[in-house]
Amino acid sequence: EDQVTQSPEALRLQEGESSSLNCSYTVSGLRGLFWYRQDPGKGPEFLFTLYSAGEEKEKERLKATLTKKESFLHITAPKPEDSATYLCAVQVIRAAGNKLTFGGGTRVLVKP
Amino acid sequence: NAGVTQTPKFQVLKTGQSMTLQCAQDMNHNSMYWYRQDPGMGLRLIYYSASEGTTDKGEVPNGYNVSRLNKREFSLRLESAAPSQTSVYFCASLPTAGVATEAFFGQGTRLTVV
Repeated sequence: EDQVTQSPEALRLQEGESSSLNCSYTVSGLRGLFWYRQDPGKGPEFLFTLYSAGEEKEKERLKATLTKKESFLHITAPKPEDSATYLCAVQVIRAAGNKLTFGGGTRVLVKP
Repeated sequence: NAGVTQTPKFQVLKTGQSMTLQCAQDMNHNSMYWYRQDPGMGLRLIYYSASEGTTDKGEVPNGYNVSRLNKREFSLRLESAAPSQTSVYFCASLPTAGVATEAFFGQGTRLTVV
């Protein structure tokens, strides 16, 4: 069974205090790993797709990395506007097609 | 450029009532997905469809049925709504069946079952 686990569940940071979020997965047939940001009451907003171990992608204060078993989302010098829930998802190959499974998310609160 | 459109945005049902949530995408995507999101939790996969005429169960399919009417539309039906189905429902689509790229989401349907 495909499993995607995110940790921690919640993270409280002071503005400027860098940290990392973890997404570990147990799947076979990985096609890609996605990171999304979600604000309250809204749908997920796409951040990154990672395809293979060793790959890294950056966007402003966010950097995502991928290994064979997990992915990290690093937040460097966060600002209050980075407060959101961050979701990771894995796309895997199945007989019925490509399945997209999400983790439980990490709620990030950045205080000024 | 509409993307993924879900209807309705809000719905209140009484226990035992039925309803269909509609999802349509105008991006010619092959794969479509239905998720539910409970407060403070991630998205749980209900059903997905790799192409017209094919569907498969996700993590939480009980109490739901789906129809992939054509390439554009993927509907989710609750035959007999229960309070446990109170949630926010998201529809998503992916550009092609064989390549991992960005998944596009609808704005969600907030369903309350009383």
